[in-house]
Amino acid sequence: AQSVAQPEDQVNVAEGNPLTVKCTYSVSGNPYLFWYVQYPNRGLQFLLKYITGDNLVKGSYGFEAEFNKSQTSFKLKKPSPLVSDSALYFCAVRDPFSNSGYALNFGKGTSLLVTP
Amino acid sequence: SAVISQKPSRDICQRGTSLTIQCQVDSQVTMMFWYRQQPGQSLTLIATANQGSEATYESGFVIDKFPISRPNLTFSTLTVSNMSPEDSSIYLCSVVVEGARITEAFFGQGTRLTVV
Repeated sequence: AQSVAQPEDQVNVAEGNPLTVKCTYSVSGNPYLFWYVQYPNRGLQFLLKYITGDNLVKGSYGFEAEFNKSQTSFKLKKPSPLVSDSALYFCAVRDPFSNSGYALNFGKGTSLLVTP
Repeated sequence: SAVISQKPSRDICQRGTSLTIQCQVDSQVTMMFWYRQQPGQSLTLIATANQGSEATYESGFVIDKFPISRPNLTFSTLTVSNMSPEDSSIYLCSVVVEGARITEAFFGQGTRLTVV
């Protein structure tokens, strides 16, 4: 089955310093990879996705992600994060082999804390 | 895009009772899913809500415990039956919208359920 792993429970970074949130994937075939953000008491919001093409994907709120096939990684990045970016971030992969075909398998999430 | 409204946003329920969660979408969608997010955990797919037919459940989830209705293309309900404290979770409704250039999953804000 397709899966993703987020090895970091929490990432702390000072405002304005570049951040990276790690994600590795395990898929058969070409991966469909996603990043979502969850703010407290709110639903998941889509940030970006990688399907094919350029290995650097740009998304919402200044976030971008770097796809690396040889390392099977999909790292979320932001050059200059804000305190308001503090939230829970989920990496996800589409699992075409599930009963649904379009549902997502999520990582356990990484809590991002951006300090002033 | 799609705007999803979930009701209730939260509830505290007695064990042994049932709760029905509603999911309303502002447009007709083919693919609709229900996820569970247990405390401190990632999202797990419960089932695909199929319009006009029985839902398709993922491994570990059964219809008797999580009956799902999908009477039309904009609405679905998930019932958590005979609840126990282990059912305390956030339940999220999700839809997938396929466009000419993009396929994207949208999520409701979730229903936070506490079983006492």
